[in-house]
Amino acid sequence: GNSVTQMEGPVTLSEEAFLTINCTYTATGYPSLFWYVQYPGEGLQLLLKATKADDKGSNKGFEATYRKETTSFHLEKGSVQVSDSAVYFCALNPADKLIFGTGTRLQVFP
Amino acid sequence: KAGVTQTPRYLIKTRGQQVTLSCSPISGHRSVSWYQQTPGQGLQFLFEYFSETQRNKGNFPGRFSGRQFSNSRSEMNVSTLELGDSALYLCASSLTTTNTEAFFGQGTRLTVV
Repeated sequence: GNSVTQMEGPVTLSEEAFLTINCTYTATGYPSLFWYVQYPGEGLQLLLKATKADDKGSNKGFEATYRKETTSFHLEKGSVQVSDSAVYFCALNPADKLIFGTGTRLQVFP
Repeated sequence: KAGVTQTPRYLIKTRGQQVTLSCSPISGHRSVSWYQQTPGQGLQFLFEYFSETQRNKGNFPGRFSGRQFSNSRSEMNVSTLELGDSALYLCASSLTTTNTEAFFGQGTRLTVV
């Protein structure tokens, strides 16, 4: 079946620290992969995406590379800010729907 | 251009009642999907509509239903509400059915008491 596994949170970092949030997936076929972010009281915002193996998605300093050999799509940022505090969801779309991971809460302190 | 609009933002209902939630997609988008978000189950797919037809359905009981109108606006209905239906209901719109880029609304927070 299709599924997404994310590292459990919360991830607590100081401002300007390096961020990695791990995401691995199981899928049939070749789905697109996504990272969504949810700020408190809000819906989901698309952060970045990759549509095929070895693609790198990037946005707002965040990056993730579609690794077919390790079935991974880890999210990274070189220097986090307090404003990055949110919940991050990894997702894939094997068909006409999105399958999400459980989400990872990121807390960044000054 | 305007984003995805969901109304109302908050609802409080009593067990046994029914509720209707509304979603207006981004102009030009013909696909609307619905998701339920709870602390215990996370984000779960409810159903997807494209050009007024339900294209895909998640694993939810028949109390959950939806429809899409000719202007692509969508509604979802939950009948005979249960306490466990308390959740954030999110609507997402896409240009096509493949959800290659889905844009989400802010959600409707439903509380069943």
